[in-house]
Amino acid sequence: GENVEQHPSTLSVQEGDSAVIKCTYSDSASNYFPWYKQELGKRPQLIIDIRSNVGEKKDQRIAVTLNKTAKHFSLHITETQPEDSAVYFCAAFEAGTALIFGKGTTLSVSS
Amino acid sequence: KAGVTQTPRYLIKTRGQQVTLSCSPISGHRSVSWYQQTPGQGLQFLFEYFSETQRNKGNFPGRFSGRQFSNSRSEMNVSTLELGDSALYLCASSLIGLVSDEQFFGPGTRLTVL
Repeated sequence: GENVEQHPSTLSVQEGDSAVIKCTYSDSASNYFPWYKQELGKRPQLIIDIRSNVGEKKDQRIAVTLNKTAKHFSLHITETQPEDSAVYFCAAFEAGTALIFGKGTTLSVSS
Repeated sequence: KAGVTQTPRYLIKTRGQQVTLSCSPISGHRSVSWYQQTPGQGLQFLFEYFSETQRNKGNFPGRFSGRQFSNSRSEMNVSTLELGDSALYLCASSLIGLVSDEQFFGPGTRLTVL
């Protein structure tokens, strides 16, 4: 079955810096890759997603890139702000099976 | 529009018992997914229901089951509870599917198994 590895597990940056979180997946049939943000004590929230027929997607300060050959996808946050501090989860989905999550990355943005 | 609601919010059970959790999706949403969240295992997908049919299923034992009603409300049942089932159980709803459009999560049910 699918396996998703997420790195790093913790990431500390200064406000204004960029943050990059990388995930690798094992099943080449996976075709949908969402990213979720979960603030402390709150429910997860979808922040961006990408499908296997697209290489990059941007939404303001957030971008996701997908490399199907290498089977990895990354979340890029530019100009980080304290409110970006949260746990970020990546996931991979293969139709008809399951959504498999990475273990999460705790991002801390200090001002 | 009301968000996703889950009942009960907190639950304490003992090993061997069974439990039923309920999820009411956002009005008009037909897809409901269930997740287990623990500090050790993180977020894990249990299953997705759409129009009363299970469409996707994660790697959980048969003790975990679910169903969806005609009004899209969903229930999740865990039988023969084990200590390791202690977790936050989240449900999420979307219009037509967890990969077709945005999922909205409920607040979760915190289950403690003693």
